[in-house]
Amino acid sequence: DADVTQTPRNRITKTGKRIMLECSQTKGHDRMYWYRQDPGLGLRLIYYSFDVKDINKGEISDGYSVSRQAQAKFSLSLESAIPNQTALYFCATSDPFVPGQGFYGYTFGSGTRLTVV
Amino acid sequence: TQLLEQSPQFLSIQEGENLTVYCNSSSVFSSLQWYRQEPGEGPVLLVTVVTGGEVKKLKRLTFQFGDARKDSSLHITAAQTGDTGLYLCAGDKAAGNKLTFGGGTRVLVKP
Repeated sequence: DADVTQTPRNRITKTGKRIMLECSQTKGHDRMYWYRQDPGLGLRLIYYSFDVKDINKGEISDGYSVSRQAQAKFSLSLESAIPNQTALYFCATSDPFVPGQGFYGYTFGSGTRLTVV
Repeated sequence: TQLLEQSPQFLSIQEGENLTVYCNSSSVFSSLQWYRQEPGEGPVLLVTVVTGGEVKKLKRLTFQFGDARKDSSLHITAAQTGDTGLYLCAGDKAAGNKLTFGGGTRVLVKP
């Protein structure tokens, strides 16, 4: 099984619909993130969570919400989907930063391709 | 304007040639990482650099972190078709485990 699992892998939805993307991890990491990827723009941070009780907005959180149901689960919701939310969505986890040892990096899921029509 | 600018955006070369991808910023980063992403998959971490001037080698890949920790480069020697993919740089400004990504460089190595 993958360390970070995202469901669904592909989804087509209509404008105005509510949709939830789910992410679960077996890494045992406290830190989880949601990014969206658009061609030429790299990955942009939507929300992140450093533990179950901690939720933080990223650079593009408008139109999105998240829920951290457990250490291993972090879901992303689009309350009322719009076409410019069509993108590839990635969930990631990481170890905490340890000063002097560098940053261990993210483990990404395989992504959810979302199309809003 | 993105915090991290990658160049070029697209690179097409023949197998056996060398290539260099650049990642530049006006900001200082506590660490910088390089990822490779293949179609249908998430990015996979290649390397982390944390010290200004640091050079790391991973087989045919050489990564350098600028002295001022504002820029980085990835050099591939004798590229192979398996090096084809999207290369992403990502920086952590405040040692807070929150990465900012560049726009990516799409590399195509032709046989």
